[in-house]
Amino acid sequence: GIQVEQSPPDLILQEGANSTLRCNFSDSVNNLQWFHQNPWGQLINLFYIPSGTKQNGRLSATTVATERYSLLYISSSQTTDSGVYFCAVPTGGGNKLTFGTGTQLKVEL
Amino acid sequence: GAVVSQHPSRVICKSGTSVKIECRSLDFQATTMFWYRQFPKKSLMLMATSNEGSKATYEQGVEKDKFLINHASLTLSTLTVTSAHPEDSSFYICSASNSLSTYEQYFGPGTRLTVT
Repeated sequence: GIQVEQSPPDLILQEGANSTLRCNFSDSVNNLQWFHQNPWGQLINLFYIPSGTKQNGRLSATTVATERYSLLYISSSQTTDSGVYFCAVPTGGGNKLTFGTGTQLKVEL
Repeated sequence: GAVVSQHPSRVICKSGTSVKIECRSLDFQATTMFWYRQFPKKSLMLMATSNEGSKATYEQGVEKDKFLINHASLTLSTLTVTSAHPEDSSFYICSASNSLSTYEQYFGPGTRLTVT
């Protein structure tokens, strides 16, 4: 099945710093989602981004489907950005998702 | 919009008992619901996919007799962990989708199950 790897696995930032999270996938996909899992476990949809670039406030994402990767940019990070960031791609027909390995982000004061 | 709830948020049960977790889509009709399991500091692992009114499709390695899934309506799916054992302790998350074409899923807040 498709492999979805994220990097870095862990990241510590000072508040106000910028960061780039990467998601690599092993096969062609026709869509990709980014999620933030907050410290209480809730997954929050960030972007549905099959290709191109989208921006939402301090967050933006770019997917280059032909090169099988997506990037999530976090600018001016805040402590509330802490948590785990997952990308996910569809697999197996229907609308099943395979989740990436995740990036654990901690933003410190 | 696209709010999914789960109940209970956390549950502790004794070995050998069964526990039911509910997943509801509050403001849309969920043609498909998914159940995931997440171990500490790990990614989400899909357990099964359920479509309203039909039997769930389980992923390889997931025991269908242990993890009973019912999707009786377009807004409710339930996961019952039968004869629970300590190794079933985990974080269970449901998600719901209202379309077969866009792949977007909306996630519930999760249920923390502890089996003693």
